[in-house]
Amino acid sequence: AQSVTQPDIHITVSEGASLELRCNYSYGATPYLFWYVQSPGQGLQLLLKYFSGDTLVQGIKGFEAEFKRSQSSFNLRKPSVHWSDAAEYFCAIDTGTASKLTFGTGTRLQVTL
Amino acid sequence: ETGVTQSPTHLIKTRGQQVTLRCSSQSGHNTVSWYQQALGQGPQFIFQYYREEENGRGNFPPRFSGLQFPNYSSELNVNALELDDSALYLCASSLSGQGYEQYFGPGTRLTVT
Repeated sequence: AQSVTQPDIHITVSEGASLELRCNYSYGATPYLFWYVQSPGQGLQLLLKYFSGDTLVQGIKGFEAEFKRSQSSFNLRKPSVHWSDAAEYFCAIDTGTASKLTFGTGTRLQVTL
Repeated sequence: ETGVTQSPTHLIKTRGQQVTLRCSSQSGHNTVSWYQQALGQGPQFIFQYYREEENGRGNFPPRFSGLQFPNYSSELNVNALELDDSALYLCASSLSGQGYEQYFGPGTRLTVT
Protein backbone atom coordinates (compact mmCIF):
# COMPACT_ATOMS: atom_id res chain seq x y z
CA ALA A 1 0.00 0.00 0.00
CA GLN A 2 1.15 3.52 -0.66
CA SER A 3 2.20 5.90 2.09
CA VAL A 4 3.43 9.45 2.59
CA THR A 5 5.92 10.51 5.25
CA GLN A 6 6.44 14.03 6.49
CA PRO A 7 9.28 13.66 8.97
CA ASP A 8 8.98 17.11 10.52
CA ILE A 9 5.96 17.49 12.77
CA HIS A 10 6.67 21.11 13.67
CA ILE A 11 9.01 23.70 12.15
CA THR A 12 9.67 27.24 13.31
CA VAL A 13 11.28 29.82 11.04
CA SER A 14 11.81 33.55 11.26
CA GLU A 15 9.93 35.81 8.89
CA GLY A 16 12.06 36.39 5.81
CA ALA A 17 13.99 33.16 6.21
CA SER A 18 13.86 30.37 3.68
CA LEU A 19 11.75 27.26 4.20
CA GLU A 20 11.93 23.65 3.16
CA LEU A 21 9.32 21.07 4.16
CA ARG A 22 10.16 17.45 3.50
CA CYS A 23 7.95 14.80 1.95
CA ASN A 24 8.76 11.22 1.02
CA TYR A 25 6.40 8.71 -0.49
CA SER A 26 6.30 4.96 -0.86
CA TYR A 27 4.76 3.61 -4.05
CA GLY A 28 5.88 1.30 -6.84
CA ALA A 29 5.63 3.94 -9.54
CA THR A 30 5.55 7.72 -9.79
CA PRO A 31 2.31 9.03 -8.35
CA TYR A 32 0.69 12.38 -8.83
CA LEU A 33 2.07 14.61 -6.06
CA PHE A 34 0.42 17.48 -4.24
CA TRP A 35 1.04 19.98 -1.49
CA TYR A 36 -1.92 21.41 0.42
CA VAL A 37 -2.07 24.08 3.11
CA GLN A 38 -4.61 24.21 5.92
CA SER A 39 -5.10 27.28 8.07
CA PRO A 40 -6.76 26.87 11.48
CA GLY A 41 -10.41 25.95 11.14
CA GLN A 42 -10.18 25.90 7.37
CA GLY A 43 -10.32 23.31 4.63
CA LEU A 44 -7.39 22.42 2.43
CA GLN A 45 -6.04 24.68 -0.30
CA LEU A 46 -3.90 23.31 -3.09
CA LEU A 47 -0.47 24.95 -3.29
CA LEU A 48 0.95 23.02 -6.21
CA LYS A 49 0.95 19.67 -7.97
CA TYR A 50 3.26 17.49 -10.05
CA PHE A 51 1.98 15.20 -12.76
CA SER A 52 4.91 14.86 -15.16
CA GLY A 53 7.58 16.83 -16.98
CA ASP A 54 9.71 19.49 -15.34
CA THR A 55 10.56 18.26 -11.86
CA LEU A 56 10.53 21.77 -10.39
CA VAL A 57 6.98 23.04 -10.11
CA GLN A 58 5.78 26.48 -9.15
CA GLY A 59 2.71 27.07 -7.06
CA ILE A 60 0.72 29.80 -5.47
CA LYS A 61 1.92 32.17 -2.76
CA GLY A 62 5.53 31.91 -3.93
CA PHE A 63 5.94 28.21 -3.14
CA GLU A 64 7.78 25.70 -5.29
CA ALA A 65 8.50 21.99 -4.99
CA GLU A 66 11.01 19.65 -6.52
CA PHE A 67 10.30 16.04 -7.42
CA LYS A 68 13.28 13.71 -7.04
CA ARG A 69 12.48 10.25 -8.34
CA SER A 70 15.65 8.66 -6.98
CA GLN A 71 14.76 9.79 -3.46
CA SER A 72 10.97 9.39 -3.76
CA SER A 73 10.74 12.92 -2.46
CA PHE A 74 8.70 16.01 -3.19
CA ASN A 75 10.00 18.77 -0.93
CA LEU A 76 8.27 22.12 -0.65
CA ARG A 77 10.31 25.33 -0.59
CA LYS A 78 9.84 29.04 -0.24
CA PRO A 79 12.72 31.56 -0.44
CA SER A 80 11.29 34.05 2.05
CA VAL A 81 8.56 33.16 4.53
CA HIS A 82 5.84 35.61 5.52
CA TRP A 83 4.01 35.58 8.84
CA SER A 84 0.82 34.68 6.98
CA ASP A 85 2.41 31.39 5.89
CA ALA A 86 1.94 29.97 9.38
CA ALA A 87 -0.33 26.96 8.89
CA GLU A 88 -0.36 23.18 8.55
CA TYR A 89 1.12 21.77 5.36
CA PHE A 90 0.19 18.40 3.92
CA CYS A 91 1.87 16.40 1.21
CA ALA A 92 -0.38 13.99 -0.66
CA ILE A 93 -0.21 11.47 -3.48
CA ASP A 94 -2.73 10.15 -5.98
CA THR A 95 -1.75 6.73 -7.28
CA GLY A 96 -4.16 6.78 -10.15
CA THR A 97 -7.16 5.04 -8.65
CA ALA A 98 -9.50 7.88 -9.46
CA SER A 99 -8.78 10.85 -7.24
CA LYS A 100 -8.19 9.18 -3.91
CA LEU A 101 -5.53 11.11 -2.07
CA THR A 102 -3.21 9.62 0.50
CA PHE A 103 -1.95 12.29 2.87
CA GLY A 104 1.01 12.61 5.17
CA THR A 105 0.53 13.54 8.80
CA GLY A 106 1.36 17.17 8.14
CA THR A 107 3.98 19.71 9.20
CA ARG A 108 2.94 22.62 11.35
CA LEU A 109 4.80 25.80 10.39
CA GLN A 110 5.26 28.53 12.94
CA VAL A 111 6.67 31.89 11.82
CA THR A 112 8.34 34.18 14.32
CA LEU A 113 8.55 37.91 13.74
CA GLU B 1 -18.44 30.04 -9.47
CA THR B 2 -19.30 28.83 -5.98
CA GLY B 3 -16.91 26.69 -4.03
CA VAL B 4 -17.51 23.56 -2.02
CA THR B 5 -19.81 24.11 0.93
CA GLN B 6 -20.49 21.85 3.89
CA SER B 7 -23.11 21.83 6.59
CA PRO B 8 -23.30 21.97 9.47
CA THR B 9 -20.09 23.66 10.59
CA HIS B 10 -20.06 22.01 14.00
CA LEU B 11 -22.00 19.15 15.48
CA ILE B 12 -22.11 17.45 18.85
CA LYS B 13 -23.56 13.95 19.11
CA THR B 14 -23.76 11.24 21.72
CA ARG B 15 -22.18 7.82 21.34
CA GLY B 16 -24.56 5.44 19.57
CA GLN B 17 -26.41 8.15 17.68
CA GLN B 18 -26.50 8.65 13.93
CA VAL B 19 -25.34 11.72 12.01
CA THR B 20 -25.71 13.09 8.48
CA LEU B 21 -23.25 15.56 7.02
CA ARG B 22 -23.89 17.42 3.79
CA CYS B 23 -21.73 18.70 0.97
CA SER B 24 -22.46 20.80 -2.09
CA SER B 25 -19.87 20.32 -4.78
CA GLN B 26 -18.30 23.03 -6.89
CA SER B 27 -20.20 23.89 -10.03
CA GLY B 28 -19.41 21.50 -12.87
CA HIS B 29 -17.79 18.85 -10.68
CA ASN B 30 -19.23 15.33 -10.88
CA THR B 31 -17.14 13.56 -8.25
CA VAL B 32 -17.27 13.94 -4.49
CA SER B 33 -14.81 12.45 -2.02
CA TRP B 34 -15.07 12.38 1.75
CA TYR B 35 -12.16 12.43 4.17
CA GLN B 36 -11.87 12.11 7.93
CA GLN B 37 -9.24 14.20 9.66
CA ALA B 38 -8.62 13.30 13.28
CA LEU B 39 -6.91 15.85 15.49
CA GLY B 40 -3.23 16.14 14.64
CA GLN B 41 -3.49 13.80 11.66
CA GLY B 42 -3.71 14.05 7.91
CA PRO B 43 -7.02 13.44 6.17
CA GLN B 44 -7.97 9.80 5.63
CA PHE B 45 -9.98 8.80 2.55
CA ILE B 46 -13.43 7.45 3.42
CA PHE B 47 -15.08 7.01 0.03
CA GLN B 48 -15.80 8.64 -3.29
CA TYR B 49 -18.97 9.04 -5.32
CA TYR B 50 -19.17 9.46 -9.07
CA ARG B 51 -22.50 9.74 -10.88
CA GLU B 52 -24.38 8.65 -7.76
CA GLU B 53 -22.40 5.43 -7.35
CA GLU B 54 -19.70 4.62 -4.82
CA ASN B 55 -16.40 4.67 -6.67
CA GLY B 56 -13.92 3.40 -4.15
CA ARG B 57 -13.71 3.15 -0.40
CA GLY B 58 -11.01 3.49 2.19
CA ASN B 59 -10.54 1.46 5.34
CA PHE B 60 -13.77 2.48 7.06
CA PRO B 61 -16.52 0.20 8.39
CA PRO B 62 -19.94 -0.12 6.74
CA ARG B 63 -21.54 2.16 9.32
CA PHE B 64 -20.00 4.94 7.24
CA SER B 65 -22.21 5.32 4.20
CA GLY B 66 -22.95 7.96 1.65
CA LEU B 67 -25.14 9.24 -1.12
CA GLN B 68 -24.67 11.40 -4.14
CA PHE B 69 -27.61 13.18 -5.69
CA PRO B 70 -28.30 14.08 -9.34
CA ASN B 71 -27.02 17.60 -8.73
CA TYR B 72 -23.77 16.01 -7.47
CA SER B 73 -24.26 17.12 -3.88
CA SER B 74 -23.53 14.45 -1.33
CA GLU B 75 -24.24 13.17 2.15
CA LEU B 76 -22.08 11.26 4.58
CA ASN B 77 -23.97 9.17 7.13
CA VAL B 78 -22.41 7.61 10.18
CA ASN B 79 -24.40 5.15 12.30
CA ALA B 80 -23.72 3.97 15.82
CA LEU B 81 -21.30 6.79 16.55
CA GLU B 82 -18.18 6.00 18.53
CA LEU B 83 -15.93 8.38 20.43
CA ASP B 84 -13.18 7.84 17.85
CA ASP B 85 -15.48 9.25 15.17
CA SER B 86 -14.78 12.71 16.59
CA ALA B 87 -12.96 14.48 13.77
CA LEU B 88 -13.11 17.07 11.04
CA TYR B 89 -14.96 15.66 8.04
CA LEU B 90 -13.87 17.13 4.75
CA CYS B 91 -15.66 16.95 1.46
CA ALA B 92 -13.84 17.47 -1.82
CA SER B 93 -15.22 17.79 -5.31
CA SER B 94 -13.47 17.26 -8.61
CA LEU B 95 -13.95 16.21 -12.17
CA SER B 96 -13.70 12.47 -12.76
CA GLY B 97 -10.37 10.98 -13.63
CA GLN B 98 -7.05 10.63 -11.96
CA GLY B 99 -5.02 13.60 -10.99
CA TYR B 100 -7.71 16.19 -11.27
CA GLU B 101 -7.49 18.76 -8.54
CA GLN B 102 -9.79 18.21 -5.60
CA TYR B 103 -11.39 21.31 -4.16
CA PHE B 104 -12.02 20.99 -0.45
CA GLY B 105 -14.79 22.44 1.63
CA PRO B 106 -14.20 23.96 5.08
CA GLY B 107 -15.27 20.79 6.83
CA THR B 108 -17.70 19.76 9.54
CA ARG B 109 -16.31 19.37 13.03
CA LEU B 110 -18.02 16.38 14.68
CA THR B 111 -17.67 15.81 18.40
CA VAL B 112 -18.96 12.56 19.88
CA THR B 113 -19.44 12.51 23.65
